[in-house]
Amino acid sequence: TQLLEQSPQFLSIQEGENLTVYCNSSSVFSSLQWYRQEPGEGPVLLVTVVTGGEVKKLKRLTFQFGDARKDSSLHITAAQPGDTGLYLCAGAEGNKLIFGTGTRLQVFP
Amino acid sequence: EAQVTQNPRYLITVTGKKLTVTCSQNMNHEYMSWYRQDPGLGLRQIYYSMNVEVTDKGDVPEGYKVSRKEKRNFPLILESPSPNQTSLYFCASSLKAGRVYYEQYFGPGTRLTVT
Repeated sequence: TQLLEQSPQFLSIQEGENLTVYCNSSSVFSSLQWYRQEPGEGPVLLVTVVTGGEVKKLKRLTFQFGDARKDSSLHITAAQPGDTGLYLCAGAEGNKLIFGTGTRLQVFP
Repeated sequence: EAQVTQNPRYLITVTGKKLTVTCSQNMNHEYMSWYRQDPGLGLRQIYYSMNVEVTDKGDVPEGYKVSRKEKRNFPLILESPSPNQTSLYFCASSLKAGRVYYEQYFGPGTRLTVT
């Protein structure tokens, strides 16, 4: 089973700051997804990236899939308290979905 | 409303007492799966099902059973629960599995404690 390592594990920042979360693997994934999970709820999909080098933007969130499809990053510009949550990357391995270890983000007003 | 439902939401039980956590989706999705979430370990897939009567092991299937007799339902069975199965469990469904993964819709979670 492939492993997905996320860094950092925890991140506490002030409103307005920028941040980047990384998702790395030694293996190639056919596609990669990013989810956000809030306390007491299940994860909710933010984006799916498929092509190596692909960049997708969702308002203040920018997602990039590495050229070799082994890694991905999530960049948030001008973070807001509403961005607080657990961010999870997930890669497709055959018919299974492998989740990363997660990055817990807290944004203070 | 399109949704995945799980029951119960909270469950405290004792070692060895068989239990079933139900999962149902109303989106006519082919693919369903069960995950457990533990601190520092993220979400780990227990079992998944590509369609009715088609199930397969995920990464942590030991101690669990599943069945998929109907497209909408995918119950998780713990025949003899043990304390190391104390966890937060999520059921999820998606349109289908494939090379490009479809969006996973997650249920609200079931918090299980085994004493």
